[in-house]
Amino acid sequence: EAQVTQNPRYLITVTGKKLTVTCSQNMNHEYMSWYRQDPGLGLRQIYYSMNVEVTDKGDVPEGYKVSRKEKRNFPLILESPSPNQTSLYFCASSPDAANTIYFGEGSWLTVV
Amino acid sequence: EDQVTQSPEALRLQEGESSSLNCSYTVSGLRGLFWYRQDPGKGPEFLFTLYSAGEEKEKERLKATLTKKESFLHITAPKPEDSATYLCAVRSYNNNDMRFGAGTRLTVKP
Repeated sequence: EAQVTQNPRYLITVTGKKLTVTCSQNMNHEYMSWYRQDPGLGLRQIYYSMNVEVTDKGDVPEGYKVSRKEKRNFPLILESPSPNQTSLYFCASSPDAANTIYFGEGSWLTVV
Repeated sequence: EDQVTQSPEALRLQEGESSSLNCSYTVSGLRGLFWYRQDPGKGPEFLFTLYSAGEEKEKERLKATLTKKESFLHITAPKPEDSATYLCAVRSYNNNDMRFGAGTRLTVKP
């Protein structure tokens, strides 16, 4: 089954404790991206990647890092999480920068 | 900068009461306009892609249309299971991201 898989789905962590949210897709897509979704603000792009070793900032990259060492994986790294990073995070992938993107199920992150 | 505005923010309908959701956009060189459905706590689910003015797509009770400045999602005789947030997004030739509107939260009462 074609899918985008994120882990963990739910996480409560403390301020300053580094964490990584993994994302994997099995569709051989070149384009991958991370979004956060907050009430009243909609979906905002954090980072995206056009292909392996190619990443770029979206609208809200501060406090986040990404890497794309393999085509199928695109982890999101929070080096020192803060409470304002409490949000619902989505990973997504697309064949390229022109096509429909397909979303994972989301990761609920709470930073206390 | 690309912008997407959806209206209304929320819409409550009775079962069977048809209506339309609006998505206005400002982009330099539209690559595609996308409609998604999102249920609470879940990832957006793809519905339609529209590429050029005049294009229409249909799926069950939903029909999406596109002009040079806006898109409409028409819902005919909705059912309670159509209740969800509907998101509109655009991709342009200017950049490599997909920009989303804030969504319309649709509630259909039986």
